[in-house]
Amino acid sequence: QKEVEQNSGPLSVPEGAIASLNCTYSDRGSQSFFWYRQYSGKSPELIMFIYSNGDKEDGRFTAQLNKASQYVSLLIRDSQPSDSATYLCAVGGNQGGKLIFGQGTELSVKP
Amino acid sequence: ETGVTQTPRHLVMGMTNKKSLKCEQHLGHNAMYWYKQSAKKPLELMFVYNFKEQTENNSVPSRFSPECPNSSHLFLHLHTLQPEDSALYLCASSHGQGKGYGYTFGSGTRLTVV
Repeated sequence: QKEVEQNSGPLSVPEGAIASLNCTYSDRGSQSFFWYRQYSGKSPELIMFIYSNGDKEDGRFTAQLNKASQYVSLLIRDSQPSDSATYLCAVGGNQGGKLIFGQGTELSVKP
Repeated sequence: ETGVTQTPRHLVMGMTNKKSLKCEQHLGHNAMYWYKQSAKKPLELMFVYNFKEQTENNSVPSRFSPECPNSSHLFLHLHTLQPEDSALYLCASSHGQGKGYGYTFGSGTRLTVV
C-alpha cells in the first residue's frame, strides 16, 4: 500500500464547476496535510495546508480533513481553465519535517 | 533575493561530464531536500539534510553526490550520468522540525543527459 494515494486522473470538469480532489494516507500518526499545485514544467506551489479535522477555506479553495478515515480532500469552486494543473497531496508530521507526496491528480478545466 | 533559488535552470550534459546543481534558500529554514521528477511520474525523494547533516539517502546511485556546506546552500554533484537520469531536479526547504511544515520549492533544474 502506498503511503499517500491519489487518483492520477485526468479529472476533467467544465469551467465554473466544483472540482473535487481526493487523497488517502496510511500513517495514522500524520499531523499535517498540504496541497500543492504544479503546472506543467514548473515546480510545485503550496496552495493549502490543514492540521485539524474539518474544513478550511481560502478563497475558492477548501481543504477537508477527516483523520478517522485518513482522508483529505481539496475542493475548487468556480473552476477556471487556469486551475488546470497537477495537484499534489503531501502528508507529514511523524517523520520530523519530511513530507510524503502522493503521485498527483491531473485536473483539466474545460472552457 | 527571496525564496529558494536553483541554478542552472537548464542543463545538457554528456554521460562523461561532471556538473553541479546549486540550491540556495533565503527563508531561514534548516532542512533542505533534493527531489527528482521524471516525466509523468511522482516526486522521488533523493536526499534530506537537517542543520546541514544528511539524514536520508533514498538509495540514490553514487553518481549523484550531495553537499550541504551550511543550512542555506545545497549542491548536487553529477558525474557519469545515464540518459535515464534526465529529469526535473527540484530543491526544497522547510523548517524541518515539529509536525511538518510545508516545503518551499525552487524552480528546478531541467537536466538532459545525452
